[in-house]
Amino acid sequence: DIQMTQSPSTLSASVGDRVTITCRASQSISSWLAWYQQRPGKAPKLLIYKASSLESGVPSRFSGSGSGTEFTLTISSLQPDDFATYYCQQFNSYSYSFGQGTKLEIK
Amino acid sequence: QVTLKESGPALVKPTQTLTLTCTFSGFSLSTSGVRVNWIRQPPGKALEWLARIDWDGDKFYTTSLKTRLSISKDTSKNQVVLTMTNMDPVDTATYYCVRTGVTGTEFYSWGQGTLVTVSS
Repeated sequence: DIQMTQSPSTLSASVGDRVTITCRASQSISSWLAWYQQRPGKAPKLLIYKASSLESGVPSRFSGSGSGTEFTLTISSLQPDDFATYYCQQFNSYSYSFGQGTKLEIK
Repeated sequence: QVTLKESGPALVKPTQTLTLTCTFSGFSLSTSGVRVNWIRQPPGKALEWLARIDWDGDKFYTTSLKTRLSISKDTSKNQVVLTMTNMDPVDTATYYCVRTGVTGTEFYSWGQGTLVTVSS
């Protein structure tokens, strides 16, 4: 099974900051990587799919990049609504797995 | 508009079998390319994919729980059912029903989730 490792686990930042979250796969997953935002008590929300494709309705300050085993999610200018937990997720050989999550906190 | 909603018991006893039903609208599971999944999340922990069923009846399970899981569909009722046998307190989690997106690799529409607690 493919393991997904996110870093950092917690990130403290301020409104207006540019932040980057990294996700590494234990083996190559091509570009089959998605990113989600989850607020407390809510279901996750898809932000990015196929590593860099922005889901419809998601603000353009969110962007994704990478391929193979290393991927990043960047938020260009943090807004108050962005403080949440973020998960990466891979697909390979009819199986899916998630990273452990990155909690984005207000500094 | 795509919607999914999970239903099932909030509390099950250890060793019992859990049966969860996902009732959806806005799409048909007989349409080519449509796939529905179950994903769970223990309190304060990460997400874990459990199973997937496709429009053509193909089924896929996470390796670690494969012997305990069964997924099925009732296309006429717009429902997907997940059963998990031999429940244990570590299976306490919020269980989500989720539709996969256009590429089949991402989860784009989620139910609200249902919390299942395993306790005697």
